[in-house]
Amino acid sequence: AQSVTQLGSHVSVSEGALVLLRCNYSSSVPPYLFWYVQYPNQGLQLLLKYTTGATLVKGINGFEAEFKKSETSFHLTKPSAHMSDAAEYFCAVSDNDYKLSFGAGTTVTVRA
Amino acid sequence: KAGVTQTPRYLIKTRGQQVTLSCSPISGHRSVSWYQQTPGQGLQFLFEYFSETQRNKGNFPGRFSGRQFSNSRSEMNVSTLELGDSALYLCASSNPDRENSPLHFGNGTRLTVT
Repeated sequence: AQSVTQLGSHVSVSEGALVLLRCNYSSSVPPYLFWYVQYPNQGLQLLLKYTTGATLVKGINGFEAEFKKSETSFHLTKPSAHMSDAAEYFCAVSDNDYKLSFGAGTTVTVRA
Repeated sequence: KAGVTQTPRYLIKTRGQQVTLSCSPISGHRSVSWYQQTPGQGLQFLFEYFSETQRNKGNFPGRFSGRQFSNSRSEMNVSTLELGDSALYLCASSNPDRENSPLHFGNGTRLTVT
């Protein structure tokens, strides 16, 4: 079975500081890996997706993630946090495009 | 292009009742998936439909069912509601005909069971 573990249920950063959200996956087959963001009272929005090819994936809103097979990790980063980045972030793994296994989520707060 | 539309946004039901939630996918998307989101269990896959056929189902009891119509719109039904069914139900659509088509989520239906 595929699963993901997100380290840290809550992350607090200062505006302009680096955002780093950690995700480790477990999969017996080459996975699809995703990061989604959820704002209050809204659905999930795809930030980025890894399938094959380049291990550094660039997404929307300045986010990027690096697939490291040796570490089974897919950490999400953004060089400079903005107030609008305050939200909940979910890492997910799948072997297809519709049945995703999500992590527990990491809530990001941004301090002015 | 309109996004995924879920109706209603909010529902309050009583234990033992049944409920039907509706989802209209993005135009051209033929795959519709449903997820349940709760504070305790997080996001869990319910089922996925493609061309009116259920292709995959998560680990939920038979009280949870769904269907898809010829226009790709989908409904999910929960019968004999329990307090634990209170959750945000998210629908997502995708276009399997396009390589690497991601899931696009609606804003969800928040169901409260009292």
